Amino acid sequence: QSALTQPRSVSGSPGQSVTISCTGTSSHFGGYDYVSWYQQYPGKVPKLILFDVSKRPSGVPDRFSGSKSGNTASLTISGLQTEDEADYYCCSYGGSYTFFGSGTKLTVL
Amino acid sequence: QVQLRESGPGLVKSSESLSLTCSVSGGYISSDSYFWGWIRQPPGEGLEWIATTFNTGNTFYNPSLKSRVTISVDTSKNQFSLRLSSVTAADTAVYFCARQRRGISDYWGQGALVIVSS
Repeated sequence: QSALTQPRSVSGSPGQSVTISCTGTSSHFGGYDYVSWYQQYPGKVPKLILFDVSKRPSGVPDRFSGSKSGNTASLTISGLQTEDEADYYCCSYGGSYTFFGSGTKLTVL
Repeated sequence: QVQLRESGPGLVKSSESLSLTCSVSGGYISSDSYFWGWIRQPPGEGLEWIATTFNTGNTFYNPSLKSRVTISVDTSKNQFSLRLSSVTAADTAVYFCARQRRGISDYWGQGALVIVSS
């Protein structure tokens, strides 16, 4: 199974909203809503920002939201801030296997 | 606060085996609530799930790596380990260990860079 497909890059201006898609197959998601998203700054450890499609760990701003429809999950960041510039990865759990997305570089213009 | 720390050689020769250990503190590997896994990231590339284990020894492997990977757990030392055999330059990466549950990796180690040399 290949990685989940994400756009290579997205960009937005401060205050705007951006959405990052994460597309797979039924094998990637296994009929579950076990999708998580990670934020990674260059040279740093990935940080969990969403799990179970749309739940936020403690401390993650509500500017980060998630959704899923069929075999496509999405991460939306509203009210973009310069500190949001980072790489973002989706992740799905299909019951036995875990799949990461190809990664999206977010540039805040 | 759960903390994980990877340890192992930073340089491995091509065709040999890579071995890494993840030491867990602030939590118990014997917990029935969590799984424990390995994830890697080649330089400049994305994340790749390698394998996951449970305290009972149940294991789950990335099909693309399964023939070369072994993950094991030592509850007495509160550690789990990764072994990747027959390495090539394509296995050069930062290797992360993480606490997992339903594919969610909520606590990560700092990562260990492993370079495969020819």
